[in-house]
Amino acid sequence: NAGVTQTPKFQVLKTGQSMTLQCAQDMNHNSMYWYRQDPGMGLRLIYYSASEGTTDKGEVPNGYNVSRLNKREFSLRLESAAPSQTSVYFCASSEAAGTAGYGYTFGSGTRLTVV
Amino acid sequence: GQSLEQPSEVTAVEGAIVQINCTYQTSGFYGLSWYQQHDGGAPTFLSYNALDGLEETGRFSSFLSRSDSYGYLLLQELQMKDSASYFCAPSGYSTLTFGKGTMLLVSP
Repeated sequence: NAGVTQTPKFQVLKTGQSMTLQCAQDMNHNSMYWYRQDPGMGLRLIYYSASEGTTDKGEVPNGYNVSRLNKREFSLRLESAAPSQTSVYFCASSEAAGTAGYGYTFGSGTRLTVV
Repeated sequence: GQSLEQPSEVTAVEGAIVQINCTYQTSGFYGLSWYQQHDGGAPTFLSYNALDGLEETGRFSSFLSRSDSYGYLLLQELQMKDSASYFCAPSGYSTLTFGKGTMLLVSP
């Protein structure tokens, strides 16, 4: 099983450009998440989708939009990239809301640099 | 408000035992998870405590005291491959909140 697959793995953008980070999971999980990780800041939740058809803001949603395309796929869009969005982005999935005890499965990350 | 505290760095030698503490203040607390992340890698799930007490999984154990808003991860028989960052993550119903992580350095 592939688990959680993120594309691309690396990306360099110019300020003001837009892009979409893709995430897909093959574990039939209901809930999906986008986190960003900056040095010394841990992981911060950007958006999440508790179930297909729903999305909610996390701790740091400004400058991002998300789409839960179907049960498998959850994409993150940067409409106008800024240097402050330089980060490592992780997508994760879990069986369902309220099932943290089974653990989140993380993708390998997208390393994004905005210049 | 929410707060989450864990040491930024811990050092130990191979074969030793190390404890990583975590104190949290969060609303709608369901349980406490622990994740491991090697440099350049993705976080991986280690353990979860919903109830007070100790949970053991091989060389790793995790403890929770809900009344003290406190937990710890205990790593025994340390190996070089245990050098990584460890995150405590209190969970609400829908999401996890991650701390800044504790970098564990294991030396020979």
